[in-house]
Amino acid sequence: DTGVSQDPRHKITKRGQNVTFRCDPISEHNRLYWYRQTLGQGPEFLTYFQNEAQLEKSRLLSDRFSAERPKGSFSTLEIQRTEQGDSAMYLCASSLVVLTDFYGYTFGSGTRLTVV
Amino acid sequence: SQKIEQNSEALNIQEGKTATLTCNYTNYSPAYLQWYRQDPGRGPVFLLLIRENEKEKRKERLKVTFDTTLKQSLFHITASQPADSATYLCALVRVDNAGNMLTFGGGTRLMVKP
Repeated sequence: DTGVSQDPRHKITKRGQNVTFRCDPISEHNRLYWYRQTLGQGPEFLTYFQNEAQLEKSRLLSDRFSAERPKGSFSTLEIQRTEQGDSAMYLCASSLVVLTDFYGYTFGSGTRLTVV
Repeated sequence: SQKIEQNSEALNIQEGKTATLTCNYTNYSPAYLQWYRQDPGRGPVFLLLIRENEKEKRKERLKVTFDTTLKQSLFHITASQPADSATYLCALVRVDNAGNMLTFGGGTRLMVKP
């Protein structure tokens, strides 16, 4: 296992276009998270999945954003009708949670989105 | 409102010295506090986790303290090296947060000069 993989690493798109990002988590991990990070700030939570169920979404996740995790494996994050304010690094992370035991996240390298 | 504050100014130290980074929080009841390292253009890398009932945790040259009375965590890197230069993020998981979502501070950039 090579860790959490994200694709693409960079994406430049025109305002109004739709974009989709993919995340492949560590296979043994049961939780998958999406975060967004802008320059000089810490990552901000967007949404998370326990196996294939999407259990929570942040208020940051507007109607233009949708995330899926079919079959509890990889996940996709789609942004429709992109706006310049969507420009950011989109980070995926996975973790293993067993009962109440929680360990640190493993993050991917992120997808850098630039909306022009 | 809930806040997690880290010194936004870069910390510059000489190689071999101990770097100490601070994380303060308000209006939180954290169950866990974590520290991550982030290099430019990369995702954060998990370093240490400390639970609310723990005072101190060590890993090699790293030490984290957690004072729930002061609402503060200190992160120490002893015998610092230029390779330790990066941004360090602290993050909290709330007691009532079943999803273990992290809330991050803004990070502090550490520069270790040879």
